[in-house]
Amino acid sequence: AQTVTQSQPEMSVQEAETVTLSCTYDTSESDYYLFWYKQPPSRQMILVIRQEAYKQQNATENRFSVNFQKAAKSFSLKISDSQLGDAAMYFCAYRSATAGGTSYGKLTFGQGTILTVHP
Amino acid sequence: ETGVTQTPRHLVMGMTNKKSLKCEQHLGHNAMYWYKQSAKKPLELMFVYNFKEQTENNSVPSRFSPECPNSSHLFLHLHTLQPEDSALYLCASSQALLAGGLTDTQYFGPGTRLTVL
Repeated sequence: AQTVTQSQPEMSVQEAETVTLSCTYDTSESDYYLFWYKQPPSRQMILVIRQEAYKQQNATENRFSVNFQKAAKSFSLKISDSQLGDAAMYFCAYRSATAGGTSYGKLTFGQGTILTVHP
Repeated sequence: ETGVTQTPRHLVMGMTNKKSLKCEQHLGHNAMYWYKQSAKKPLELMFVYNFKEQTENNSVPSRFSPECPNSSHLFLHLHTLQPEDSALYLCASSQALLAGGLTDTQYFGPGTRLTVL
């Protein structure tokens, strides 16, 4: 079974600065997808960024980028120029890409990291 | 309405009540999911439906009964719940299982905050 670990229960950052959230995962599969979701106080889970494991190039979405290290099974999220609206709980998630596998389609989430942005 | 909607947003019920949670997706997707989010625990997948067929029941107690009448609607029927069932219940949808690639990316609704007294 796959596991996802977020070792930072809480992080804080000053507005306009950069912060990195850590995520590691454990899997025996070679093909999979990784996601970062954001859950603000409204509780709506919002997709931030996603990465296909077979792609070596790190995904980027505006101020959000990832550092994907497949060998190390690490998938960190970097938020540049942090804004007050970035304050939320951030979840790292894993999904198998092995069609037909028992876990296909299942998102496995980490425990979450609460990000506070200070003005 | 756009995206994934859930009603009600908040629900308080006694242990002997019967209630239902509703999820509707307006994204043209064919796969729908129920997740449970409890305090200090990772999100737990409960059920998966693909083209109205249940493809996964993640060892969920029978007091939770899902129903998927069509690809746009998903219900979670609740009966004789326990206080430990109090949680945020999130619905998600994706294009379809086995659609391939990132088209299977799941999009979430705002959740129903359930309190069982």
